[in-house]
Amino acid sequence: DIQMTQSPSSLSASVGDRVTITCRASQTVSTYLNWYQQKPGKAPNLLIYAASTLANGVPARFSGSGSGTDFTLVISSLQPEDFAVYYCHQSYNIPRTFGQGTKVEI
Amino acid sequence: VQLQESGPGLMNPSQTLSLTCSVSGGSISSGSYYWSWIRQSAGKGLEWIGRLYTNDLTDYNPSFKSRVTISVDTSLNQFSLSLKSMTAADTAMYYCARVGRYGGFDVWGQGTMVTVSS
Repeated sequence: DIQMTQSPSSLSASVGDRVTITCRASQTVSTYLNWYQQKPGKAPNLLIYAASTLANGVPARFSGSGSGTDFTLVISSLQPEDFAVYYCHQSYNIPRTFGQGTKVEI
Repeated sequence: VQLQESGPGLMNPSQTLSLTCSVSGGSISSGSYYWSWIRQSAGKGLEWIGRLYTNDLTDYNPSFKSRVTISVDTSLNQFSLSLKSMTAADTAMYYCARVGRYGGFDVWGQGTMVTVSS
């Protein structure tokens, strides 16, 4: 299985901050890397697919980059509604696997 | 497209879990989509269980392979998960999801909580 490791596991930030979350795969996933946002009591919501493509309706303050084994999710200016848990997910190999999550807190 | 899971909520150990995901707003057999089951527990985070294509082609996570079956009923526009020999370790929120471009899960159900306890 491909192991997905996110860092940090949690971070504290303020509204307006630039936030960076990283995801490292234990072997290449090419650009088959997706990012999700999950709020309490809700299902995850797809933010970015194919490493850097914004999903429908996702604000442009979110961006993704990377290929191979190292990936980054950036929130350029944190908004109140962005406080949540973020997950990366590889769709390169079976079984699909997820990172452990990064909690973005105030 | 919207997805809605339904299931038992509470189960006894050793029983077989049966969950259904109803698809609305589109036909499950139209388009080139896979359909997946994913679960989330406090201990193991998000776990992919398996996926199905509407010609009954399936892939499963080896962690579940001996216990799991995913099937489709195109006439009812739904797909199902069966997981045998449930234990407390299978207690989790279970989600169904559509697999979009590049394998991202682009549509999710709201999830159904399954608790295994005697």
